[in-house]
Amino acid sequence: LAKTTQPISMDSYEGQEVNITCSHNNIATNDYITWYQQFPSQGPRFIIQGYKTKVTNEVASLFIPADRKSSTLSLPRVSLSDTAVYYCLVGDFHGSSNTGKLIFGQGTTLQVKP
Amino acid sequence: DGGITQSPKYLFRKEGQNVTLSCEQNLNHDAMYWYRQDPGQGLRLIYYSQIVNDFQKGDIAEGYSVSREKKESFPLTVTSAQKNPTAFYLCATRDRGNSPLHFGNGTRLTVT
Repeated sequence: LAKTTQPISMDSYEGQEVNITCSHNNIATNDYITWYQQFPSQGPRFIIQGYKTKVTNEVASLFIPADRKSSTLSLPRVSLSDTAVYYCLVGDFHGSSNTGKLIFGQGTTLQVKP
Repeated sequence: DGGITQSPKYLFRKEGQNVTLSCEQNLNHDAMYWYRQDPGQGLRLIYYSQIVNDFQKGDIAEGYSVSREKKESFPLTVTSAQKNPTAFYLCATRDRGNSPLHFGNGTRLTVT
């Protein structure tokens, strides 16, 4: 079973800020949270990763509350080219070791309209 | 991702034939993964390997086989036992710890 739950789809308009929330109630202490973007017929591409509080890079921000049971990917001022599927992936720690078993959820299809 | 090569991009086979999908990496990453993606669906884990000469089954390993004889290579064989092999297959690598996955561009397999 996937360790994450996301909305199946979201719509937005160009220039708006988009926030996609992911639930991960059973996140392990050592797990990081990673977000990926996938365009049709391509492999997913890394967007951002974080452990707690807030992380920002040139394309997105990631907000993680203190209990780490959810996270929110924020895309500022989206454009048509941001139309894609976005996946939230929680790590694979069991205790202090990686199990290696990385399971994706269904992802969120973001449709940006003009 | 330039460091991961999946070949070929498109592959066509007749039902009942085994087919092997190639995945090669020059990122020197320890772990390698195979995922399957069906239209409109998420990625499902087939097999993964964290180290040479060792690999584990994912959630949908039935009908598939892998080998990890070299760090750079993790080929996936789709056998005739796989009931619905037509899909988009993605190979990924990961460095150690919490490093993110790096994906290849995928192989689209069509079996008729």
